[in-house]
Amino acid sequence: GQSLEQPSEVTAVEGAIVQINCTYQTSGFYGLSWYQQHDGGAPTFLSYNALDGLEETGRFSSFLSRSDSYGYLLLQELQMKDSASYFCAVRGRDNYGQNFVFGPGTRLSVLP
Amino acid sequence: NAGVTQTPKFQVLKTGQSMTLQCAQDMNHNSMYWYRQDPGMGLRLIYYSASEGTTDKGEVPNGYNVSRLNKREFSLRLESAAPSQTSVYFCASTEGHLETDTQYFGPGTRLTVL
Repeated sequence: GQSLEQPSEVTAVEGAIVQINCTYQTSGFYGLSWYQQHDGGAPTFLSYNALDGLEETGRFSSFLSRSDSYGYLLLQELQMKDSASYFCAVRGRDNYGQNFVFGPGTRLSVLP
Repeated sequence: NAGVTQTPKFQVLKTGQSMTLQCAQDMNHNSMYWYRQDPGMGLRLIYYSASEGTTDKGEVPNGYNVSRLNKREFSLRLESAAPSQTSVYFCASTEGHLETDTQYFGPGTRLTVL
């Protein structure tokens, strides 16, 4: 099985850089992904790491280290609109990688 | 493209009533999923369908049934609703390729069971 842990809340100011960590225990997975969810909205995809290392997509970057069972999402040049919940998720190896498990989420508050 | 659509958006049921949540995607995706999200928590997988004609249990399948009607549509049925099933239900789809991991989510159905 898989289980993921994330900090419940993070607070930062506009323009700053924030890192949201995700640690996991899993019997095997294909990749680690990140999703953003604004209050009352649906999750939207941000980033995916199939391999160890850093993936960059604009202001967002994601990192994976399988040897450390650890990943993180890095948000740069924070904006007020980045206030949302952020979820990490793993794609398990059973049933050809169609089983996704989500972390509990980290609520990011961006202050002016 | 509408992406992933869900109906209804809101629903109130009494304990013991049944209902079906509908989901459709127009992206020709192979895989579809049903999640529930309780307040302040992450998403938990109820059922998924890796391809047309197949369905599999996720983490929390008890009290639910699913049907993959065709490649576009994946429905979730509550046969006898219970207050513990009060939640927001999200449908999602992916192409099914392991090299990418983009799940597209519908807007959700907010279900209250009294």
